[in-house]
Amino acid sequence: SAVISQKPSRDICQRGTSLTIQCQVDSQVTMMFWYRQQPGQSLTLIATANQGSEATYESGFVIDKFPISRPNLTFSTLTVSNMSPEDSSIYLCSVLYGLDRYTEAFFGQGTRLTVV
Amino acid sequence: AQKVTQAQTEISVVEKEDVTLDCVYETRDTTYYLFWYKQPPSGELVFLIRRNSFDEQNEISGRYSWNFQKSTSSFNFTITASQVVDSAVYFCALIFNAGNMLTFGGGTRLMVKP
Repeated sequence: SAVISQKPSRDICQRGTSLTIQCQVDSQVTMMFWYRQQPGQSLTLIATANQGSEATYESGFVIDKFPISRPNLTFSTLTVSNMSPEDSSIYLCSVLYGLDRYTEAFFGQGTRLTVV
Repeated sequence: AQKVTQAQTEISVVEKEDVTLDCVYETRDTTYYLFWYKQPPSGELVFLIRRNSFDEQNEISGRYSWNFQKSTSSFNFTITASQVVDSAVYFCALIFNAGNMLTFGGGTRLMVKP
C-alpha cells in the first residue's frame, strides 16, 4: 500500500495569487495524478506527472495555469496560478500501484482551496 | 467511448433501509478495474472495493455488497440496513488500461435520515 501526505489540507487565498500544493508518497511510484473536484462535482483529471519528463495535461488544463513539478519518484507539486474564485475546489493527488489484478489507487487527503 | 455513469445524483433514505447505488460503464477494453469510493463531508476519498474485469464474483463486506455484471456493464453497490454515518457521496470509477488514470462517475449523494 501507499501512504500519501498532501498539504496544505485547506487554504483561503486572494484572487490573483498562487498556491503550491505538495504531495509526498512513502514509496517510489512512476506516475502521479492530480485531480480537481469543483463544488458538487465529480473528480476531473488535471494532469499526469511522470518523473523526469513534463507533465501530460488533460483537455482544458494548461501548464501556465497549473504548473507541475516532479523532482523525484516520491514527490510532486501542483501550483494553481493567478487564482480566481472559479479555482475554488478540492485538489487531490493520486498514485497507482501495480499493473495487474492487484492494481490499487491511493489518494491524498485533498486540499480544499477557497479563492476570495 | 469510455465512461462511467452514475444515474442517481442524489438518494435519500431513512435509517435501516437498504439502498442500491447504480454504476454503469462503457469500455472497449477487455481488462479493466472497477472501484467504489466514499467521500464524506471532510473531503477525503475512502477506498471501498476494487474488482477486476476477469473476476465476476460478487462480494459482501459487512453491510456492503457489490454486484458486478459484465453482461450489463454494471457494478452496483448495496448498503444493507443503512446508517446515518453512511451519508456521503459515493463514486464509482474505472481504470481502463493498466497503468492509466481513474475515470470517475458523477457520484451519488446518499443522505440517510434518522
